[in-house]
Amino acid sequence: DAGVIQSPRHEVTEMGQEVTLRCKPISGHNSLFWYRQTMMRGLELLIYFNNNVPIDDSGMPEDRFSAKMPNASFSTLKIQPSEPRDSAVYFCASSSVREAFFGQGTRLTVV
Amino acid sequence: AQSVTQLGSHVSVSEGALVLLRCNYSSSVPPYLFWYVQYPNQGLQLLLKYTSAATLVKGINGFEAEFKKSETSFHLTKPSAHMSDAAEYFCAVSRIQGAQKLVFGQGTRLTINP
Repeated sequence: DAGVIQSPRHEVTEMGQEVTLRCKPISGHNSLFWYRQTMMRGLELLIYFNNNVPIDDSGMPEDRFSAKMPNASFSTLKIQPSEPRDSAVYFCASSSVREAFFGQGTRLTVV
Repeated sequence: AQSVTQLGSHVSVSEGALVLLRCNYSSSVPPYLFWYVQYPNQGLQLLLKYTSAATLVKGINGFEAEFKKSETSFHLTKPSAHMSDAAEYFCAVSRIQGAQKLVFGQGTRLTINP
């Protein structure tokens, strides 16, 4: 398996634009997580899915953020409209039994 | 609720010296505990995990950690530091039952001096 695949690796966008981050989890994993990493706040859990169903989205900062998991092999995190304070590295992780595997992350810069 | 506290955001040791990274957890239920390592511009990689079996857990790259319930600690150690150990290390906790989400500490940046 190629591991958790995230795209794009880098994204630079202008404030106000819509941004969509993509994640392909490891096949067979039933949980998927979206994290955000910044210098100020460290690693924050934004949302996680179990069997494609959102279980806890309490970490989603505001309504501008939304996440979907239409099937077991794909998830998206959308920010609309984007703001400079959304600049961060966004990680997707998938897990089987109590072990999470992380993607390489998407470095988002909003200018 | 669960939480993790990593003592020391930066740790610096000499090559060949002992590495000790501290982690204390808070959990109302028996926890699973993890250490992850993050190299620059990379995702997080699992070093080791405690899942209620042996209290001394051995991981990759010569690291190990000991679960001490009485101290609510799960410190990470390595007898002899190598230059390639320079990275950021994260302690994390999750519940054994129920939700699987990982709660991470703030991370400790390890620097190795030649």
